[in-house]
Amino acid sequence: EDQVTQSPEALRLQEGESSSLNCSYTVSGLRGLFWYRQDPGKGPEFLFTLYSAGEEKEKERLKATLTKKESFLHITAPKPEDSATYLCAVEKSGSRLTFGEGTQLTVNP
Amino acid sequence: NAGVTQTPKFQVLKTGQSMTLQCAQDMNHNSMYWYRQDPGMGLRLIYYSASEGTTDKGEVPNGYNVSRLNKREFSLRLESAAPSQTSVYFCASAVSDTGELFFGEGSRLTVL
Repeated sequence: EDQVTQSPEALRLQEGESSSLNCSYTVSGLRGLFWYRQDPGKGPEFLFTLYSAGEEKEKERLKATLTKKESFLHITAPKPEDSATYLCAVEKSGSRLTFGEGTQLTVNP
Repeated sequence: NAGVTQTPKFQVLKTGQSMTLQCAQDMNHNSMYWYRQDPGMGLRLIYYSASEGTTDKGEVPNGYNVSRLNKREFSLRLESAAPSQTSVYFCASAVSDTGELFFGEGSRLTVL
């Protein structure tokens, strides 16, 4: 059975304190791994797609990386506006997205 | 540019009542989806429509029906609501059948 596990469930950082969120997966035939950001009371917003091990994508203070078993979302010098829940999802051939439960990130000023 | 619009945003139902959640997208996307989000469960796919005129079951379709009315609109119907259907429902769309989805802001449903 396909599984997507995100850790930690919640993370509190001070502004400027860099860290990483983890998304581990067990999927055969991975077609893509996706990161989304979700603000309270809103729908998820697409951030990145990663297709193969070794691939990296960057957007402002965020960088996503992918290995054969997991993906990391690195947050460099975060700001309070980076506070949100970050969702990871995997897609395999012939199937739809399987989402993880998310990591709730809080960045304190 | 509205993107994906869902109505209503909030709804309270009694057990056994029926209702329809409406979704419309203005991005000319082919694929549309309905998800539910529950604490500790993540987002789960209810139904999807890869293109106009087609619909398919997702992970948790029981108790729901859908209609792809045209390319823009995809509705979700609860025929006889149950407390287990209390959730936040999200509609999403995509250019094609990929994981790069655009979500609406959600419809919060409570079934008493």
